[in-house]
Amino acid sequence: EAQVTQNPRYLITVTGKKLTVTCSQNMNHEYMSWYRQDPGLGLRQIYYSMNVEVTDKGDVPEGYKVSRKEKRNFPLILESPSPNQTSLYFCASRVRQGFPYEQYFGPGTRLTVT
Amino acid sequence: QKEVEQDPGPLSVPEGAIVSLNCTYSNSAFQYFMWYRQYSRKGPELLMYTYSSGNKEDGRFTAQVDKSSKYISLFIRDSQPSDSATYLCAMRFYNQGGKLIFGQGTELSVKP
Repeated sequence: EAQVTQNPRYLITVTGKKLTVTCSQNMNHEYMSWYRQDPGLGLRQIYYSMNVEVTDKGDVPEGYKVSRKEKRNFPLILESPSPNQTSLYFCASRVRQGFPYEQYFGPGTRLTVT
Repeated sequence: QKEVEQDPGPLSVPEGAIVSLNCTYSNSAFQYFMWYRQYSRKGPELLMYTYSSGNKEDGRFTAQVDKSSKYISLFIRDSQPSDSATYLCAMRFYNQGGKLIFGQGTELSVKP
């Protein structure tokens, strides 16, 4: 089954404790991205990657890191989480070419930072 | 001012009603327009997309774009309880295939 998977689905952590949210897709998509979803603000892009070893900042990159060492994986790293990073996070992937550039979203990771 | 504005609702309608969901945007450079549907505890999924002014129909769903007014709509005919979800509009520029700008999402509940 074609899908984007994320782990963990739920995470409660404390301020300053480094964490990684994994994202993996099995569709051989070149493009992957991370979003956060907050009430009243919708989905906002954090980082994206056009291909292996190519990453760039989205609209809200502060406090996050990413890496793209393999085509299928795109982990999101919070080096020193803070309470304002409490949010619902989505990973997405799509093919690089071909309208409508449909993005396939993972199931989400709900992160709480206390 | 947000680039894309969407009434967050919530919107509650009886089964069989016609639903109208709307978004306005400020940047006339947006070229592609999409509607995503997000069920509770799930990721968004693409529902409809278009790139030109006018209407596009797919079953009970119609997407409408008015570029002159910077306004897009999604109409749902004969709404069903299974349509209960959050609907997000999204749009992007011509040369930025990866960057989607989303509205805040409208939470819709269709009551039997």
